[in-house]
Amino acid sequence: GESVGLHLPTLSVQEGDNSIINCAYSNSASDYFIWYKQESGKGPQFIIDIRSNMDKRQGQRVTVLLNKTVKHLSLQIAATQPGDSAVYFCAENTPDRSYKLIFGSGTRLLVRP
Amino acid sequence: DSGVTQTPKHLITATGQRVTLRCSPRSGDLSVYWYQQSLDQGLQFLIQYYNGEERAKGNILERFSAQQFPDLHSELNLSSLELGDSALYFCASGNQNIGELFFGEGSRLTVL
Repeated sequence: GESVGLHLPTLSVQEGDNSIINCAYSNSASDYFIWYKQESGKGPQFIIDIRSNMDKRQGQRVTVLLNKTVKHLSLQIAATQPGDSAVYFCAENTPDRSYKLIFGSGTRLLVRP
Repeated sequence: DSGVTQTPKHLITATGQRVTLRCSPRSGDLSVYWYQQSLDQGLQFLIQYYNGEERAKGNILERFSAQQFPDLHSELNLSSLELGDSALYFCASGNQNIGELFFGEGSRLTVL
């Protein structure tokens, strides 16, 4: 599941700093959003989700913010660690029958020691 | 370990050939999703099955087909392969109408 070679925007942060990864979604009717993390050689892993009736949700060291007005999601990672280095994808679910997730293009996070 | 198993992990074949990728979902999950991840496309939704029936179709080529069997495992068939079909193919499973999907480790297909 490695994503090496993908032409992705990259965010480079110092270990211990906070990271903010942004995502613009496409469908104003989308009602559910997920952030996934993909480490080199692995499949995407769930980080945190949020429904459209919320604007903020917190997990362990992560916070997701949803701004429906401008169709924008952000993932904030507190005290970024080397193990956070990965590609991060946002995904949206549109309220049709299919319940499929549509993924954004991804952001590569590099954590400098 | 997500509980989703995909085989093979790596596959190298030639243009014009046909391959089958296999996915076993997490125990109890009724939905199986297939995604393609290539260099310039990110994760593209291909197709979804729910309890043996096709539920949704994405950008899946006519040369590609899939099915979900009574034991809930799924196969993705790729035929008349082209160089551009080289990619990672992920299977994911879930058991909620809207919710977390659990991804396998992927099958890396290389078409020479």
